[in-house]
Amino acid sequence: AQTVTQSQPEMSVQEAETVTLSCTYDTSESDYYLFWYKQPPSRQMILVIRQEAYKQQNATENRFSVNFQKAAKSFSLKISDSQLGDAAMYFCAYRSPTSGTYKYIFGTGTRLKVLA
Amino acid sequence: DTEVTQTPKHLVMGMTNKKSLKCEQHMGHRAMYWYKQKAKKPPELMFVYSYEKLSINESVPSRFSPECPNSSLLNLHLHALQPEDSALYLCASSAAGTGEEKLFFGSGTQLSVL
Repeated sequence: AQTVTQSQPEMSVQEAETVTLSCTYDTSESDYYLFWYKQPPSRQMILVIRQEAYKQQNATENRFSVNFQKAAKSFSLKISDSQLGDAAMYFCAYRSPTSGTYKYIFGTGTRLKVLA
Repeated sequence: DTEVTQTPKHLVMGMTNKKSLKCEQHMGHRAMYWYKQKAKKPPELMFVYSYEKLSINESVPSRFSPECPNSSLLNLHLHALQPEDSALYLCASSAAGTGEEKLFFGSGTQLSVL
């Protein structure tokens, strides 16, 4: 069975600085999807970034980028030029591409604090 | 329209009440989900509907009863809940099977059971 591990329960970053959140996963599949979701205090889950495992190029979305290391089964999120609005809970998630499989496996989350 | 709309946003109910949570999306997604989330924890999958049929029931107690009347609507009927059922209930949808895999979440219903 697949697992997702986020080893940092809490992280802090100074406004305008860069922070990296870690995520590792375990799977025997060769193709899959990986995601980072953000959950601010409003508790709305927002997709930050998505990576397809067969794509070697790391996904980027504005100030957010990932470092996808397939062999190491690592999927870290880098937030550049951190802003106060980035303060949130961040969840890493895995999804199998198998047709008929609907389960998204979430990590335990990392709480990010942004210091002014 | 890339929204998943959930109502109500907040709900307080007694243990003998019957209530329903509603979820709606107009993105043409054929997979719809109910998640339960406790504070500071990841979402826990409860149910998945695919093409309006129940595909996954994660051994959820029968006091929770899902319903998918059509491809845009998802309900969660609640009856005889326990205080430990107090949580944030999140609805989500996805275009499953299209290669565009990602979950779109609603803003949730904060449920308190007294």
